Amino acid sequence: DTAVSQTPKYLVTQMGNDKSIKCEQNLGHDTMYWYKQDSKKFLKIMFSYNNKELIINETVPNRFSPKSPDKAHLNLHINSLELGDSAVYFCASSQDLRAASPLHFGNGTRLTVT
Amino acid sequence: AQSVAQPEDQVNVAEGNPLTVKCTYSVSGNPYLFWYVQYPNRGLQFLLKYITGDNLVKGSYGFEAEFNKSQTSFHLKKPSALVSDSALYFCAVRDVNNNNDMRFGAGTRLTVKP
Repeated sequence: DTAVSQTPKYLVTQMGNDKSIKCEQNLGHDTMYWYKQDSKKFLKIMFSYNNKELIINETVPNRFSPKSPDKAHLNLHINSLELGDSAVYFCASSQDLRAASPLHFGNGTRLTVT
Repeated sequence: AQSVAQPEDQVNVAEGNPLTVKCTYSVSGNPYLFWYVQYPNRGLQFLLKYITGDNLVKGSYGFEAEFNKSQTSFHLKKPSALVSDSALYFCAVRDVNNNNDMRFGAGTRLTVKP
């Protein structure tokens, strides 16, 4: 009954590779997000999608591309991985874009680039 | 941009004692403030929010937060700490000037000792 699920949980890969992280939410929410948490636990928003339309792109390199096949899914594809991409990536969703809507997070994908 | 600050990296309390985790905010207009908790290797979990109304907001797991407009603070509190409350706590604000982006503080690690 996981509300926001993302796969894989761990991802170890070499520099230059391309990888994807999948996210699904079963809450019926309209808005989904990707956040990056660095080694100091700082959280930074990368993207958000509302009804399959990109709303925010916080100066993320274009090697990162979100893809949303439908309202319940928001996948993250990363090209030409770099060492600095190593982090924990969290998917989240909210009922809508209203300011009062809290976020619901998945359990994260730990990406290690060697 | 609207923001929150958490002045303490670490808070240590003894089990059974009251706890406070501090947060100050900087917003233009009405603030939409949130608290989240993160346990090891897990995503963030929503605890409570302040939108409007009573300055004392009650949330999950016995936590509450006090909104103070004059001090621009939104401190998280619990009357009696449990060892199981040990976790990373994040204050957050919806940036109503930037697509209601949820922006997080740097986090405070709470350790409750038996």
